[in-house]
Amino acid sequence: DVKVTQSSRYLVKRTGEKVFLECVQDMDHENMFWYRQDPGLGLRLIYFSYDVKMKEKGDIPEGYSVSREKKERFSLILESASTNQTSMYLCASKPGSTSTDTQYFGPGTRLTVL
Amino acid sequence: DQQVKQNSPSLSVQEGRISILNCDYTNSMFDYFLWYKKYPAEGPTFLISISSIKDKNEDGRFTVFLNKSAKHLSLHIVPSQPGDSAVYFCAAPTGGGNKLTFGTGTQLKVEL
Repeated sequence: DVKVTQSSRYLVKRTGEKVFLECVQDMDHENMFWYRQDPGLGLRLIYFSYDVKMKEKGDIPEGYSVSREKKERFSLILESASTNQTSMYLCASKPGSTSTDTQYFGPGTRLTVL
Repeated sequence: DQQVKQNSPSLSVQEGRISILNCDYTNSMFDYFLWYKKYPAEGPTFLISISSIKDKNEDGRFTVFLNKSAKHLSLHIVPSQPGDSAVYFCAAPTGGGNKLTFGTGTQLKVEL
């Protein structure tokens, strides 16, 4: 069974703080993704990584960066948190690069920036 | 530009009846579609998919229909159960197949 875990379920931070969201998958998947989910906007891709140390911007990368030093771990970094980054953050992983490969999601981190 | 659209943000259905969730897409090059289901405070889970070479795929109570000429797909749940109450997202692979583009989701509520 694929397992994707995220370091925190709920997080409250202040404006301007540096925030780290961690994601770990245990199935040796090549690809990992960070999304945010907002009401009325669905899931939007922030960044993804197809290999260790490799990353690509998604649809809304502004204000975020990522790090993938090990295959199983993908971190999302908010350099200076802002209130418009209050959201549900979802991490996902996928075994290969073909379109029919399923993405497996973690439980999400509800981030509130005050 | 929203390439995958779910125009109904919510749907309410009685237990035992059919639920029909709709999804439209704009890119005729899309050749594979997925439906994900999401409960509150959980990550989305894969539900069912369909390839563009088919017009129907069935898995138990869930059936997805694809109308390529109309660029439209729908998810049918029969019979609907209270445990089906969740947000449903349709999605299509993009960016060479490695990324997914999601619709905005439809909140399904199945009432007793």
